[in-house]
Amino acid sequence: DAGVIQSPRHEVTEMGQEVTLRCKPISGHNSLFWYRQTMMRGLELLIYFNNNVPIDDSGMPEDRFSAKMPNASFSTLKIQPSEPRDSAVYFCASSSGYGTSGRYEQYFGPGTRLTVT
Amino acid sequence: RKEVEQDPGPFNVPEGATVAFNCTYSNSASQSFFWYRQDCRKEPKLLMSVYSSGNEDGRFTAQLNRASQYISLLIRDSKLSDSATYLCVVRKGYSTLTFGKGTMLLVSP
Repeated sequence: DAGVIQSPRHEVTEMGQEVTLRCKPISGHNSLFWYRQTMMRGLELLIYFNNNVPIDDSGMPEDRFSAKMPNASFSTLKIQPSEPRDSAVYFCASSSGYGTSGRYEQYFGPGTRLTVT
Repeated sequence: RKEVEQDPGPFNVPEGATVAFNCTYSNSASQSFFWYRQDCRKEPKLLMSVYSSGNEDGRFTAQLNRASQYISLLIRDSKLSDSATYLCVVRKGYSTLTFGKGTMLLVSP
């Protein structure tokens, strides 16, 4: 089974440029999460969607960040304009809630390593 | 106070050793607890859930103390392949997880 797919895997861009990160969740999962991981702050939740609707975006750092989920199989995280402090690994994760197993799990994609120079 | 706190380590142990990690959480309304494992430059993956009565999965034992707001992970008979960062994770809302910054474990031959 395909897991969560993210693209690109690596992105190097210059300050001020627009960056778009993409995510395809696991088919059938109804929740999607965007996280950012840095050495300093660890793994932080930026935003999450349930049934394609943004539920909690309180973790989005500022207006330069935006996220969309136009359908159940695709989401984007956009940074415009990008700044050096945005350099981090951005993970997308998806979940089907507790499902039939009664076990809650979020499945993470491989991440996008973003470097803003 | 951070929501989830862990000793960053690294914990350096020889193969075969027993090692324990601890984690404290600040929100008493937290509902579910987990340990995730993250290998270097990889994504986090669920290692095990933590239940109130304590639970075991092979060489791994997890315990929860709600009164002290404390979670632990014990690894017996450490293997080289156990080298990773172990993330303590707390769920308070329906879906959202809060991650600790992780404890790094290095198992040496």
